[in-house]
Amino acid sequence: DGGITQSPKYLFRKEGQNVTLSCEQNLNHDAMYWYRQDPGQGLRLIYYSQIVNDFQKGDIAEGYSVSREKKESFPLTVTSAQKNPTAFYLCASSGGNDQPQHFGDGTRLSIL
Amino acid sequence: GIQVEQSPPDLILQEGANSTLRCNFSDSVNNLQWFHQNPWGQLINLFYIPSGTKQNGRLSATTVATERYSLLYISSSQTTDSGVYFCAVDTGNQFYFGTGTSLTVIP
Repeated sequence: DGGITQSPKYLFRKEGQNVTLSCEQNLNHDAMYWYRQDPGQGLRLIYYSQIVNDFQKGDIAEGYSVSREKKESFPLTVTSAQKNPTAFYLCASSGGNDQPQHFGDGTRLSIL
Repeated sequence: GIQVEQSPPDLILQEGANSTLRCNFSDSVNNLQWFHQNPWGQLINLFYIPSGTKQNGRLSATTVATERYSLLYISSSQTTDSGVYFCAVDTGNQFYFGTGTSLTVIP
């Protein structure tokens, strides 16, 4: 089945540690996105990529990094510079301009 | 960036009732998408609707792009409709999300 796979579902981070969240899609979509959702809030854009080897910062990129070496993969690294990383992280993809977004099931990140 | 406002923020319905959720946006957009986020956090696509009206079973959506708003209608609500409903506007580069309407349907 085509879709977006995020892993892991749950992730715990120690203070000062970098962690990487995985997002893989087999929809052959060009564009991919990372969002952060805090409890009771809407989604805020962290980074997005419209083509391989290119990506742009969203509204809350500080403390995060991404790469887009392959069309199907868009991993997100939460660095130690991100002081409040506890949140629900959602990855999405779309086929391009004027195409809907499709979401993965998310990763819940917590600080130990 | 573009501002997206949803109303009401919270809604409690008796099973079988109808409801209308509203999404206002502050600038012209390429498209608009409605989602349902279930209690497990999964975001389910409902509609992708730049203008006009679409229907899918008990749900329908209408977007009036010239007046910068969209409406989501839920008829004969069921307990499984509970969750948070988000609209997101597509500017061509990225999507901007509203803060959602939290719907609780009680039996």
